[in-house]
Parts: sequence; structure tokens; C-alpha cells
Amino acid sequence: SQKIEQNSEALNIQEGKTATLTCNYTNYSPAYLQWYRQDPGRGPVFLLLIRENEKEKRKERLKVTFDTTLKQSLFHITASQPADSATYLCALDSAGAGSYQLTFGKGTKLSVIP
Amino acid sequence: EAQVTQNPRYLITVTGKKLTVTCSQNMNHEYMSWYRQDPGLGLRQIYYSMNVEVTDKGDVPEGYKVSRKEKRNFPLILESPSPNQTSLYFCASSPRQGFYGYTFGSGTRLTVV
Repeated sequence: SQKIEQNSEALNIQEGKTATLTCNYTNYSPAYLQWYRQDPGRGPVFLLLIRENEKEKRKERLKVTFDTTLKQSLFHITASQPADSATYLCALDSAGAGSYQLTFGKGTKLSVIP
Repeated sequence: EAQVTQNPRYLITVTGKKLTVTCSQNMNHEYMSWYRQDPGLGLRQIYYSMNVEVTDKGDVPEGYKVSRKEKRNFPLILESPSPNQTSLYFCASSPRQGFYGYTFGSGTRLTVV
């Protein structure tokens, strides 16, 4: 399966600023990449999916980029709010290796400080 | 309401006593999967199913069994639980692998003593 690294275990930012989270992978290129939000003790909630032929995807205050050359995805939350505080997970498929697994990174815990 | 339902939410059991965690989805999704989540290790895939009667191992399948006899149900079976299977378990489903995000259940917190 994929090896995935989410660069920061924790990220603290001031309310109103843009939060940028990083997801790097080291094995085969995935066909698509997903981002989820998880609150303590609850199941992850799907946010965005971006395919290998897409450079950027947006949804309201969220933006995801996907650079297959750098093997990296960036996840941005603009105008961050305390309610955005949560752990954010990236996930990649294993289609490049002939499997149907979806592998998750360990997540980045985002804290938005009022 | 479209959802993935897991039962039970909490379970404490003893080593070696067979148990089943149920998972049901009402969205007619083809793809279903089980994950366990442990501190410092993140979400790890146990088993997944592409459709009825089609299942395959994830990264940590040892000590677990699954079955997919109906499209909506995907139970996780621990035939002889051990303390190292103490974890938070999540079931998830998707209309089709690769094109859509997953819908996760609320989780089952299992303690094996």
C-alpha cells in the first residue's frame, strides 16, 4: 500500500488566516486523492476528492491541489474559524499497484485560535 | 437519512470470546470497508469489499473475518479476540471505489480484556 506522510502532527493558526496542510506520498502515483475531517471520537467526514489529471479543486473555503511530479497535495482552509479545529486526513488509492485499497495518512491536528 | 450504521458503539469482551460487529448502509453502495484506528498509527484498513461476495484483505487482516452476502451488510467477525485488537473500529462505504468519497459509521470502541 501507499506510504503517506502528513508533514505536521499539529498546526496552530490564528483565526482568519489561511491554514495549509501537506500530504506527501512516496510510492506509486494514485489515481485520486481525498481529504477528510475527523473530530475526536467520531468517524471521518469526506471533504474533497481530486483526480490525478486535476491540478486544483475548490469547495467554499477549501482548496486542494495535487502535484504528481512532487508527489504532494496541499489542503488550504481560507479565513479559518475556531469551528475548523479538527484533525484532517488525506487518503490515497492503490490503483497504481492493482489494488482497491484506500490508505490514510496519520492526520494533522489543526487548532484555530480565536 | 443516508448513513452507515455500526453496532454496538461500545463493547467490552474477554479474550477468546467470538464477537461480531455489524455494519449496514442504506445508500446502495457497492464498496464497503473496515478500518481500525489506534493512537499514533492512524486509520488502517482491515478488509474491503468491492461488491457482494467479493472481499479482499487490507493492511491488517490477521485475526479478522468478513463476509458480504448482501449489498447493504458487511459484518466484521473476531473469532478469538485478543487484547491487541482493542481499538476503535470504523466501517465505511462508497458508491464506487475511486470516484467518490467514503461515508463512515460512528465507530465501535472495542476493549478486549
